[in-house]
Amino acid sequence: GAVVSQHPSRVICKSGTSVKIECRSLDFQATTMFWYRQFPKQSLMLMATSNEGSKATYEQGVEKDKFLINHASLTLSTLTVTSAHPEDSSFYICSARKGTGGRQETQYFGPGTRLLVL
Amino acid sequence: AQSVTQLGSHVSVSEGALVLLRCNYSSSVPPYLFWYVQYPNQGLQLLLKYTSAATLVKGINGFEAEFKKSETSFHLTKPSAHMSDAAEYFCAVNTGTASKLTFGTGTRLQVTL
Repeated sequence: GAVVSQHPSRVICKSGTSVKIECRSLDFQATTMFWYRQFPKQSLMLMATSNEGSKATYEQGVEKDKFLINHASLTLSTLTVTSAHPEDSSFYICSARKGTGGRQETQYFGPGTRLLVL
Repeated sequence: AQSVTQLGSHVSVSEGALVLLRCNYSSSVPPYLFWYVQYPNQGLQLLLKYTSAATLVKGINGFEAEFKKSETSFHLTKPSAHMSDAAEYFCAVNTGTASKLTFGTGTRLQVTL
């Protein structure tokens, strides 16, 4: 199988605080993980690509200082939303890729983390 | 640039009826195409993918999709809808750059009795 977990599944925080979301590949090593954001009734928007042992690559318009990504091991990537504000409230989904590259490779998605910033 | 268009943000079918969810793509390179399903408050689950082998791809839960280059389409079908098929369905194309996926806007499938 190819299972990806996320923790927490749901988090509520106060404006100005930081929130860390973990993404783990449970039964495979993932050299690359992806972080997406999904607004209600909308599609997934790629935020950044996370490669193990190197800096993440952010999509245009995504603030790298606000959304800190760390991919310290082949099974764990973290997304930290720093100084969160209500507009950061969203559903954050990670995915992991098994192989080392190739467009045919499948991304396996985590169950998502719903963030609500008050 | 690559893009995916899903016609119909909402599709409603009766239980037992044919399911047809439309997806058209635009790609500057031979595309690799994916269909994912998302149940409420959950992540995405892969239904099937096209990777330039057979043009008719069979996936899980009885779904299949046919790649038609001449029509730049990759429509998802299922002969007989089940209540459990009610979910959001996303078509995606691999952009070829760092294996990033570009998603369509999604189609919500409703199955009625």
